[in-house]
Amino acid sequence: NAGVTQTPKFQVLKTGQSMTLQCAQDMNHNSMYWYRQDPGMGLRLIYYSASEGTTDKGEVPNGYNVSRLNKREFSLRLESAAPSQTSVYFCASSEGYGQGKETQYFGPGTRLLVL
Amino acid sequence: DAKTTQPTSMDCAEGRAANLPCNHSTISGNEYVYWYRQIHSQGPQYIIHGLKNNETNEMASLIITEDRKSSTLILPHATLRDTAVYYCIVRARLLSGGYNKLIFGAGTRLAVHP
Repeated sequence: NAGVTQTPKFQVLKTGQSMTLQCAQDMNHNSMYWYRQDPGMGLRLIYYSASEGTTDKGEVPNGYNVSRLNKREFSLRLESAAPSQTSVYFCASSEGYGQGKETQYFGPGTRLLVL
Repeated sequence: DAKTTQPTSMDCAEGRAANLPCNHSTISGNEYVYWYRQIHSQGPQYIIHGLKNNETNEMASLIITEDRKSSTLILPHATLRDTAVYYCIVRARLLSGGYNKLIFGAGTRLAVHP
């Protein structure tokens, strides 16, 4: 039981390049999330997927797209990377909504540097 | 979602109890208090949550005041591995159709010393 896994661990991009961050969970969770964390800051929600087949914007969605590929996998795509997107990206999942289901479990993060 | 206020940093001696306070004076009746922590460079880790009653699990205890305007996370016997940033988060219980958003503030940086 690996929990939440993310690939890659590190990535360096040039401005304008595109890439996809992958996230998978093996806990049979319904909901999945993408956050970014800038140095010395708290986490900010980019996009989330409440259940398979649905996605919605969070606090800072501009410059990103997401795909809930199936129940296990939720990817984050940067179509044209910008230096302002240099950050650590965390994926998380939760069983769903309601008492006892809202706890989120986080992956180890992807460190992205955009030059 | 209610806003939270936490001290920027705290120190604790190894083996002693670490008591981390959180003020959430604008909390409403259906809002839960959640605690997460983030050890350097790792993903946040869930610790505990509660609504009205005090809660305890294998990691920590959560004490919520009667008026629910503040709470304290207690690590009963702090170890060096407990050195981390601790986030107190307050948010509403969701109805179906809502989304599960955690708003992370700056948190409290806890340093556990030998």
